[in-house]
Amino acid sequence: NAGVTQTPKFQVLKTGQSMTLQCAQDMNHNSMYWYRQDPGMGLRLIYYSASEGTTDKGEVPNGYNVSRLNKREFSLRLESAAPSQTSVYFCASSELRGLASDEQYFGPGTRLTVT
Amino acid sequence: QKEVEQDPGPLSVPEGAIVSLNCTYSNSAFQYFMWYRQYSRKGPELLMYTYSSGNKEDGRFTAQVDKSSKYISLFIRDSQPSDSATYLCAIGNYGQNFVFGPGTRLSVLP
Repeated sequence: NAGVTQTPKFQVLKTGQSMTLQCAQDMNHNSMYWYRQDPGMGLRLIYYSASEGTTDKGEVPNGYNVSRLNKREFSLRLESAAPSQTSVYFCASSELRGLASDEQYFGPGTRLTVT
Repeated sequence: QKEVEQDPGPLSVPEGAIVSLNCTYSNSAFQYFMWYRQYSRKGPELLMYTYSSGNKEDGRFTAQVDKSSKYISLFIRDSQPSDSATYLCAIGNYGQNFVFGPGTRLSVLP
């Protein structure tokens, strides 16, 4: 039981390049989330998927797109990376459907640098 | 005013000390209060979860919620070097995503 896995662990991009961050969970959870963590800012929600087949914007969605591929997988795409997107990205999942107030399980994070 | 505020530290204490970590929040409708622990270069993991007001104890950890003051606390008794981490508060309401504080970095010195 791996929990929440993320790939890649590290990535360096040049401005304007695109990439997709992958996330998968094996806990049969309904909801999945993408956050970014910047110094002094806490975790900020980028997008979430309250159930398979649905996605919604969070607090900071600009410059990102997401796909809930199936119940297990939720990917985050940067179409044209900018230095402001340099951050640590965390994927999380929770059991209940919707923005329910249950525990979120986090992956190990992807450290992204955009030069 | 930010929705959730937290002293970023860093906070350094000697082993065995009692640690007090705190968050304040602005939205009086918040009902769910969590504390996450995040070790360096790892994802956050849930430590304590409290609904509404009151205290909750789990081993060396105690979470307190004072809704009248919009203030939550996490106490760590007999702190250990293994408690060295960043502690994030997360506060929310049903149907809304949690708002995370920026985290307090704690170092427990042997």
